[in-house]
Amino acid sequence: GAVVSQHPSWVICKSGTSVKIECRSLDFQATTMFWYRQFPKQSLMLMATSNEGSKATYEQGVEKDKFLINHASLTLSTLTVTSAHPEDSSFYICSATEGPREQYFGPGTRLTVT
Amino acid sequence: LAKTTQPISMDSYEGQEVNITCSHNNIATNDYITWYQQFPSQGPRFIIQGYKTKVTNEVASLFIPADRKSSTLSLPRVSLSDTAVYYCLVGVTLMNTGFQKLVFGTGTRLLVSP
Repeated sequence: GAVVSQHPSWVICKSGTSVKIECRSLDFQATTMFWYRQFPKQSLMLMATSNEGSKATYEQGVEKDKFLINHASLTLSTLTVTSAHPEDSSFYICSATEGPREQYFGPGTRLTVT
Repeated sequence: LAKTTQPISMDSYEGQEVNITCSHNNIATNDYITWYQQFPSQGPRFIIQGYKTKVTNEVASLFIPADRKSSTLSLPRVSLSDTAVYYCLVGVTLMNTGFQKLVFGTGTRLLVSP
């Protein structure tokens, strides 16, 4: 149980375009999901907290207009990177909470902006 | 936010017991301590979680002293496949949901050699 999936697993896009990443909790309902970004050989950096039916809460320094988060249902949250630039190339990881303390991570999405 | 400090890297050999210690001097009363394992280009995988004293599961043990200002993850008889980055996290409870927001530190890069 407690499986979180992400789609796509990797994506290449051109500079200036937008790309959407999906995060799904497959066998449980997640009222809260989190989005992280990870650069090579670095730790995960929390970008935002996504709550079903409400606006996401962004961490300091994360541009909310650039990284659009939509948590439309109890099993799906999406992250849209708008007007992507090469510096947005990174490994994006989501997590979903089944309970107050249990947090399960997706496999990650590798984004490359050319 | 409760900050965690752990060694940047550790080396071990197959079959040995590995203990990774993490300090979290500013841990709050309702914070739990969670350890995750991450392989390259994958999302973190939950290992173990505890509040105080000792917790054991099929893969690891977690030792937490009475003051809770540190914790030690113990991996018995490591194998080559245990080579990974190990993160110690102290969650921040979100007031609106009661769920925990995780802030990742640098992690410990464990290398297991034959």
